[in-house]
Amino acid sequence: DVKVTQSSRYLVKRTGEKVFLECVQDMDHENMFWYRQDPGLGLRLIYFSYDVKMKEKGDIPEGYSVSREKKERFSLILESASTNQTSMYLCASWGSSGETYNEQFFGPGTRLTVL
Amino acid sequence: KNEVEQSPQNLTAQEGEFITINCSYSVGISALHWLQQHPGGGIVSLFMLSSGKKKHGRLIATINIQEKHSSLHITASHPRDSAVYICAAYYFGNEKLTFGTGTRLTIIP
Repeated sequence: DVKVTQSSRYLVKRTGEKVFLECVQDMDHENMFWYRQDPGLGLRLIYFSYDVKMKEKGDIPEGYSVSREKKERFSLILESASTNQTSMYLCASWGSSGETYNEQFFGPGTRLTVL
Repeated sequence: KNEVEQSPQNLTAQEGEFITINCSYSVGISALHWLQQHPGGGIVSLFMLSSGKKKHGRLIATINIQEKHSSLHITASHPRDSAVYICAAYYFGNEKLTFGTGTRLTIIP
């Protein structure tokens, strides 16, 4: 079974704190994604990475950065947390096989509250 | 702009009813993904399809490329099917998924 794990299910932080969210996948997937999910807005892509040390901005990268030092691990960093970053954060991965698009596998999510 | 639209946004049905959730999208998709999210739970993949039809248990997904439309059907619905169902599209030349906003399904016993 593909496993995508996230470091925390629930997290409470204060405004201005630096926040690290970690995601690990065990299937040697090249592509990894960070999304946030908010009521009425659906899933929105923050950043994605298609290889180690490679990153691409998604639709809403402002206020976030990412790190991919190892293939299995993709970290999302909130440099200075703000209340509007309170959200559910989901990590996903997929592995390409030739030109076939494959399913994305999602982690369980981290519900972050910024006070 | 690449878009994915789902309907209905909310659906309530009695146990045993046949359920249909619809998804429409812009031209040029390479594959469509159906996902399920239970309350408080993570997201699981149901189907990935680029043509025709796929079936898994009581779930059936179809896609009509010419009509730019996909449907997810649930036969003999059960309260445990209550969840948010999300469709998402891979557009050609793009590794990113474009998501619909989801359909919240509630099955009443």
